[in-house]
Amino acid sequence: TQLLEQSPQFLSIQEGENLTVYCNSSSVFSSLQWYRQEPGEGPVLLVTVVTGGEVKKLKRLTFQFGDARKDSSLHITAAQPGDTGLYLCAGDGSGNTGKLIFGQGTTLQVKP
Amino acid sequence: EAGVVQSPRYKIIEKKQPVAFWCNPISGHNTLYWYLQNLGQGPELLIRYENEEAVDDSQLPKDRFSAERLKGVDSTLKIQPAELGDSAVYLCASSASSSYNEQFFGPGTRLTVL
Repeated sequence: TQLLEQSPQFLSIQEGENLTVYCNSSSVFSSLQWYRQEPGEGPVLLVTVVTGGEVKKLKRLTFQFGDARKDSSLHITAAQPGDTGLYLCAGDGSGNTGKLIFGQGTTLQVKP
Repeated sequence: EAGVVQSPRYKIIEKKQPVAFWCNPISGHNTLYWYLQNLGQGPELLIRYENEEAVDDSQLPKDRFSAERLKGVDSTLKIQPAELGDSAVYLCASSASSSYNEQFFGPGTRLTVL
């Protein structure tokens, strides 16, 4: 069974601080996605990484896929209150099974 | 382009009552997913459809849950009878066949069973 473990589960920081969220597995994924979910809404796709070692940037967010495609990280620079939400990583199982495996999520609170 | 539509947004019922949720995916998306999400947790897949065929329902509690996607477009998820532990958010998502399973989610239905 493929599992994705996210850490930390909860993060409360002040506006302007930097943070990193980790998504780890012992399994290889053909691609990995990051979503952000705000209260009362469904998850919204932020990025998809598909190549080992790939780095993608979305404004103040930097996403990295591990060389072995077993792990990923999300780094936020100078966090803002608007970054508050639940961050989810999701892996597409090897062989492109059509099924996403979701991590348990990281709840981020950015205080003004 | 319209997103994934779900209704109702909220539902409160008493235990043992039936309940149904409806989802209309993004136009042209062949794959439709139903997920269950508990507060602060990641979504858990209940069932996945490719057009009108349920290709993965291994996590669907079939004694009380059922789903259908008769014409390969919109879908209904039903619980009968509901139990207290079914209280959660039920999310619907869709994806295009050509994507990396990039999924587009609806706002969800928050179910409370009393």
